[in-house]
Amino acid sequence: GQSLEQPSEVTAVEGAIVQINCTYQTSGFYGLSWYQQHDGGAPTFLSYNALDGLEETGRFSSFLSRSDSYGYLLLQELQMKDSASYFCAVRDRDDYKLSFGAGTTVTVRA
Amino acid sequence: ETGVTQSPTHLIKTRGQQVTLRCSSQSGHNTVSWYQQALGQGPQFIFQYYREEENGRGNFPPRFSGLQFPNYSSELNVNALELDDSALYLCASSGTREISSYNEQFFGPGTRLTVL
Repeated sequence: GQSLEQPSEVTAVEGAIVQINCTYQTSGFYGLSWYQQHDGGAPTFLSYNALDGLEETGRFSSFLSRSDSYGYLLLQELQMKDSASYFCAVRDRDDYKLSFGAGTTVTVRA
Repeated sequence: ETGVTQSPTHLIKTRGQQVTLRCSSQSGHNTVSWYQQALGQGPQFIFQYYREEENGRGNFPPRFSGLQFPNYSSELNVNALELDDSALYLCASSGTREISSYNEQFFGPGTRLTVL
């Protein structure tokens, strides 16, 4: 089976940088994904890391260390619209499902 | 390009009833996954359909069943509804069986099911 841990809440001010950590345990591993979900909305794909290292997409970056079973999502230059829940998700080599963490609620204050 | 659509948006049922939720996948996508998201939790995988066949199942009882049609749209059926089935049901589509495609899933807005 799989288990993922991420912090439940983070609060920061506009313009700040937030890092959301995710640790996982899985019997197999294809990669780590991140999804954003605004209240009542559909999760939207942010990033995917299959290999160790940092992937940068605009203000968002994602990092993976397979040896540490750890990754993080970095949100830079925070904007009010970034207030949302952020989920890390892994796919197990032996399965087709995506396993999601419980999510981190990011609140951006003015 | 049409995104993933789901119907209905909201639904209220009573215990013991049956429900059918519908999903139209994104144009060109042949794989559909269903997830259950309880309030304050991450989505939990129910099952996945690829070319009309079940292609993986999560830890959900058999009263959760599904179908995929030749146009790749899909249905989720839940029998003998229980109070704990109250949740947001999300459908997600992806393009092919390639690894990267499985990890980038396109979600619909969901159906909010309330069981009384």
